[in-house]
Amino acid sequence: AQTVTQSQPEMSVQEAETVTLSCTYDTSESDYYLFWYKQPPSRQMILVIRQEAYKQQNATENRFSVNFQKAAKSFSLKISDSQLGDAAMYFCAYRSARTGNQFYFGTGTSLTVIP
Amino acid sequence: GAGVSQSPSNKVTEKGKDVELRCDPISGHTALYWYRQSLGQGLEFLIYFQGNSAPDKSGLPSDRFSAERTGGSVSTLTIQRTQQEDSAVYLCASSPEYGRTNGYTFGSGTRLTVV
Repeated sequence: AQTVTQSQPEMSVQEAETVTLSCTYDTSESDYYLFWYKQPPSRQMILVIRQEAYKQQNATENRFSVNFQKAAKSFSLKISDSQLGDAAMYFCAYRSARTGNQFYFGTGTSLTVIP
Repeated sequence: GAGVSQSPSNKVTEKGKDVELRCDPISGHTALYWYRQSLGQGLEFLIYFQGNSAPDKSGLPSDRFSAERTGGSVSTLTIQRTQQEDSAVYLCASSPEYGRTNGYTFGSGTRLTVV
């Protein structure tokens, strides 16, 4: 089974600064999707950014970007110009392109934004 | 509906009692997924439905757990003879069809506490 590892249980960043959240994964597949989800206290999982494994170009969404290193099986999230509203739990997730019936999630990183 | 709706939002039950958790997916979404999020953990896949059938029940942790979906819409997750280790947030998600990553939407979950 695929495994997703987030080695940073907690991170903090000053408002307006940049922070990078780490994620590594293990798979024998070549075609898959990677995601970062944000979970605020409301508990709803909100999609932040998505990366297709066949694309070499790193995905970006406004202040959010990823560093996707397929050979190293690494998928980090960079948040630029951090805002107070970015404070939440962040989960890295993997989904197979072949089976596609479930996500595999990491254990999450709790991000605190310091005013 | 506009989003994935789950009820109840919170449930406290006594050990040994049965509970039913409800998920109302986005209208027209044929695929529906259940996940469990234990304290300090990522999301653990439980089961998914394509229409009313559940091709993959591999994530259900024991035979005390069951789920059904009727009319290709509402799904109910039932836990019989609840145990304290069942305490968790149960999240539901739906997507327009099996395997699609676009439109995959989570609900806000049911927090189950077994006392």
